[in-house]
Amino acid sequence: SQTIHQWPATLVQPVGSPLSLECTVEGTSNPNLYWYRQAAGRGLQLLFYSVGIGQISSEVPQNLSASRPQDRQFILSSKKLLLSDSGFYLCAWSRTISGSMNEQFFGPGTRLTVL
Amino acid sequence: LAKTTQPISMDSYEGQEVNITCSHNNIATNDYITWYQQFPSQGPRFIIQGYKTKVTNEVASLFIPADRKSSTLSLPRVSLSDTAVYYCLVGDTRGSTLGRLYFGRGTQLTVWP
Repeated sequence: SQTIHQWPATLVQPVGSPLSLECTVEGTSNPNLYWYRQAAGRGLQLLFYSVGIGQISSEVPQNLSASRPQDRQFILSSKKLLLSDSGFYLCAWSRTISGSMNEQFFGPGTRLTVL
Repeated sequence: LAKTTQPISMDSYEGQEVNITCSHNNIATNDYITWYQQFPSQGPRFIIQGYKTKVTNEVASLFIPADRKSSTLSLPRVSLSDTAVYYCLVGDTRGSTLGRLYFGRGTQLTVWP
């Protein structure tokens, strides 16, 4: 069976500090990978998605970046965090099957607080 | 991607049937309609997906009229544990969307005892 892991679960960082959130998927190969952010009281905002190693597409211009160094590893980074980067960060994966809108499977999330 | 509109919040009592309607006037021919459920501090979870008419699974039913400009998620006999945010999404993995999903604010369903 497939599983998705995210770490850390919670993180408190000062403004201006760097960020690295990691997501890994097990039990599948060549998944589509996604990073979302959910600010307090808001819906999920798609940040990045990837269809393969080294292939990253950005949805929203910001001070965040993403990388996919391995097939089942997705990393979200920032060089300098802003207060507005606080939120609940979710990683998700889906199969690369054409046809109906593929189900996305979400990880447990990382709660980031920037002070 | 088609924009969706759904109520911000709904209240119900245990044992009642809940119907959440989503409008998507600009739905495209290849678009499917999908509903997700999200509990606090968790990622969303797939509930049901459909293209037209009616789809039913062990959790919910999805009703889609012939013009497909709206859809209704039906939750039979809700319990307290059904309190969550429900998202309606419309899209197609083929073509330029590449499986991207766009979640709005969803509908906060609160079930009372």
